[in-house]
Amino acid sequence: EAGVAQSPRYKIIEKRQSVAFWCNPISGHATLYWYQQILGQGPKLLIQFQNNGVVDDSQLPKDRFSAERLKGVDSTLKIQPAKLEDSAVYLCASSFGTSGPYNEQFFGPGTRLTVL
Amino acid sequence: GENVEQHPSTLSVQEGDSAVIKCTYSDSASNYFPWYKQELGKGPQLIIDIRSNVGEKKDQRIAVTLNKTAKHFSLHITETQPEDSAVYFCAASIQLGGADGLTFGKGTHLIIQP
Repeated sequence: EAGVAQSPRYKIIEKRQSVAFWCNPISGHATLYWYQQILGQGPKLLIQFQNNGVVDDSQLPKDRFSAERLKGVDSTLKIQPAKLEDSAVYLCASSFGTSGPYNEQFFGPGTRLTVL
Repeated sequence: GENVEQHPSTLSVQEGDSAVIKCTYSDSASNYFPWYKQELGKGPQLIIDIRSNVGEKKDQRIAVTLNKTAKHFSLHITETQPEDSAVYFCAASIQLGGADGLTFGKGTHLIIQP
């Protein structure tokens, strides 16, 4: 079974530029998550989708971050404009269920963003 | 919201010895507690998890215990091997359907000394 795919794996941009990350979850997984992992810390949830609807975006900095999951499969996370503190690894995860409980989350390899 | 504390931040053990990592959580409604292993340049990999209706779970050399009253849970690795060297994260979530994103601890860097 193929895992969660993410691209690009690495991205370097200058502050105030925009950037987008792409995620393809495990086939059949209805729920998709984006996490931000700053160096030396645990991942922090940014947004959760069930199919193509947002379930939780309470920790998403909406003035600069946006995400979408068209057709309930792939997802894109965008940052515009980027700040220095956005330098982190952006992880995508997916899980099978929509109604819980106990849905295991499977993570992709992440996209490492460096903002100069 | 949920807060997860994890200790120690770094743990060095001799190969063959046991390692224990401890976590506490703040929200008594949390009912799902996974542990992830993260190797350099890779995403977190689920190694074991425990639900709130279970006190202990084992999988070969790995075990997890949960004390709901004290709101803490621990990861135990026995007979450690060099390939166990990695960063380990505990996490907690409320899984009742709907929003079930994980709240992670800050991680433990486990070093296995040969």
